[in-house]
Amino acid sequence: DTEVTQTPKHLVMGMTNKKSLKCEQHMGHRAMYWYKQKAKKPPELMFVYSYEKLSINESVPSRFSPECPNSSLLNLHLHALQPEDSALYLCASSQADVGGSGYTFGSGTRLTVV
Amino acid sequence: RKEVEQDPGPFNVPEGATVAFNCTYSNSASQSFFWYRQDCRKEPKLLMSVYSSGNEDGRFTAQLNRASQYISLLIRDSKLSDSATYLCVVSGAGSYQLTFGKGTKLSVIP
Repeated sequence: DTEVTQTPKHLVMGMTNKKSLKCEQHMGHRAMYWYKQKAKKPPELMFVYSYEKLSINESVPSRFSPECPNSSLLNLHLHALQPEDSALYLCASSQADVGGSGYTFGSGTRLTVV
Repeated sequence: RKEVEQDPGPFNVPEGATVAFNCTYSNSASQSFFWYRQDCRKEPKLLMSVYSSGNEDGRFTAQLNRASQYISLLIRDSKLSDSATYLCVVSGAGSYQLTFGKGTKLSVIP
């Protein structure tokens, strides 16, 4: 299995809703990432988990809450989002070794906040 | 200076043309280098890793010049299906974490 699976593919939520994005990989990768991508911009790093521990939080607002239940799963809990949070949310995984071999991205969740 | 800089683009080329993308990076201790391709409204996908010795995969050739901190991607005999945004990606020093360039958009025209 060489895939990163993200669900849901599309999500529309109101500003008072609570929702979660899910990501799963079975490649034995020990680093997992959440990225946010707006139209015509490169992916922007949000969080990095290494060996199930949060290692980087790129000053992301607390309305985004990541969780790594185990080495294969990564969640992103959403609460009280703003319309400007509408974007493509990408999960990625990689080997957690120096140099690395690149990331494998999931197909993303396209989020619309109304 | 931005960490990873790419040609601004867009590049509009006819089918069959050869096109080259360039990228420079600021961290001399970077260890891993990649080109990713991203289609409209899709996720980035690894196109190829880049090595000092240069590497080729069919119509695609990537080169790395560590002394100049410069990476290139050459696409020969462009196809319509090559139309996409090409992202130059570099790892940090002693790190597996990647830094993305802003991407260069390629449109191959019939």
